[in-house]
Amino acid sequence: ELKVEQNPLFLSMQEGKNYTIYCNYSTTSDRLYWYRQDPGKSLESLFVLLSNGAVKQEGRLMASLDTKARLSTLHITAAVHDLSATYFCAVVRSGTYKYIFGTGTRLKVLA
Amino acid sequence: GAGVSQSPSNKVTEKGKDVELRCDPISGHTALYWYRQSLGQGLEFLIYFQGNSAPDKSGLPSDRFSAERTGGSVSTLTIQRTQQEDSAVYLCASSRLSGLNTGELFFGEGSRLTVL
Repeated sequence: ELKVEQNPLFLSMQEGKNYTIYCNYSTTSDRLYWYRQDPGKSLESLFVLLSNGAVKQEGRLMASLDTKARLSTLHITAAVHDLSATYFCAVVRSGTYKYIFGTGTRLKVLA
Repeated sequence: GAGVSQSPSNKVTEKGKDVELRCDPISGHTALYWYRQSLGQGLEFLIYFQGNSAPDKSGLPSDRFSAERTGGSVSTLTIQRTQQEDSAVYLCASSRLSGLNTGELFFGEGSRLTVL
């Protein structure tokens, strides 16, 4: 059974600070996705990582993938209040089309 | 339509009643997924369709849950004899699965089900 774990589950940080969210998964996968969910809203795609060593950046967020370590990171640089949301990673097991989502990280950026 | 459309957006029902939730995916997307999200929780995989067939139904919680997809487009998730633990937001997503595609999922706004 493919398991996807994120940590931390909750993160409260000051504006201007840096932090990293981790996504670990338990089986072979060469595709990983990051999504953002605002309260009461649906999920919005942030990043698609399709190979080992892939790095994508958008604004203050940067995502990377290490398929050998089965680890993805979402790094937040100089956080701002607008980044407050819940962030999910999702993994597709190689050879399937089943997307398994992580537990989510609820981020709160304090002004 | 431009995005994934789900209806109803909100449904309140009494315990024991049947409910139907509908998902209209993005045109041309061959894959369609149903997830369930309980309050403050993550996404629980229910079922996915490739075309009209469902290769993986492993996530359906019980035999009260069923789903179908017709014409490779609209899907209906049916919950029979609803229970209070069925209360959740049911999310539908679609994707254009092909060798050259990133496989990104596009989500609808969800159907919030409340069972009294």
